Amino acid sequence: DTGVSQNPRHKITKRGQNVTFRCDPISEHNRLYWYRQTLGQGPEFLTYFQNEAQLEKSRLLSDRFSAERPKGSFSTLEIQRTEQGDSAMYLCASSPPGGTMNTEAFFGQGTRLTVV
Amino acid sequence: AQRVTQPEKLLSVFKGAPVELKCNYSYSGSPELFWYVQYSRQRLQLLLRHISRESIKGFTADLNKGETSFHLKKPFAQEEDSAMYYCALVVSGGYNKLIFGAGTRLAVHP
Repeated sequence: DTGVSQNPRHKITKRGQNVTFRCDPISEHNRLYWYRQTLGQGPEFLTYFQNEAQLEKSRLLSDRFSAERPKGSFSTLEIQRTEQGDSAMYLCASSPPGGTMNTEAFFGQGTRLTVV
Repeated sequence: AQRVTQPEKLLSVFKGAPVELKCNYSYSGSPELFWYVQYSRQRLQLLLRHISRESIKGFTADLNKGETSFHLKKPFAQEEDSAMYYCALVVSGGYNKLIFGAGTRLAVHP
C-alpha cells in the first residue's frame, strides 16, 4: 500500500499519559493535514502543514496538542496529559501541490486513541 | 459560519431503488464541495467534486447555490454502494481545509 500511512493503528492509554502518532504522507505530497473524528461525527480539521511549515492550527488544537513536520516529510502529532475527551480517531491526509485549484486529499487509515 | 449539514444519519434502500443523500452548506464565499466515501474497513476516499461535473460509480451531484445544496444521487443503488458518505466543503485558502458533515450511512439491501 503506497498511500498515506499512520502508526500506530490503535492506541490505548491511561488518562494523564502522553501519546505520539506518526503520519507518513505520499512521497511527492508537500501538503499534510491532521483531522480528528469522534463517534457519529465527520472529521474535524486540526492543522495544516505545507512542507515543514505549520500554516494553520484549529482552535480545537489546545495547548496539550502539538504537531511537527520537521523535514517536510513525515509528521507527528503529540497529545500531552491525555484526557478522556481526547478519545477519537486521528486522521492524517496529504495532497500534492496545487495552484489555485484544490487538489484531492488522500487520507490514511487513522489512529484510534482510547483514553481510559 | 461555515457549516455542512447532512440531515440523515441512515438511509436504507433496496437494490435497484434510487438514492439521494442530502447535503446543505453554509458558506459566505464561493463554495467548493466534495463527496467522500468510506467503505467498510477502508480509508476515507474522494468520490466526486462539484467542479468536475462527472459521474463516478453512477453517482452525480449538482451544486445548487440558490438552495445551498449539493445532494448526491444515483438512479439505481447497488449493494456495493453500502458505505458511509460525507459531504465536505473546502474553505478558501488554496489548500484542503475541509469542513465535513456528520455523514450518512447508506445501506443497500438485496
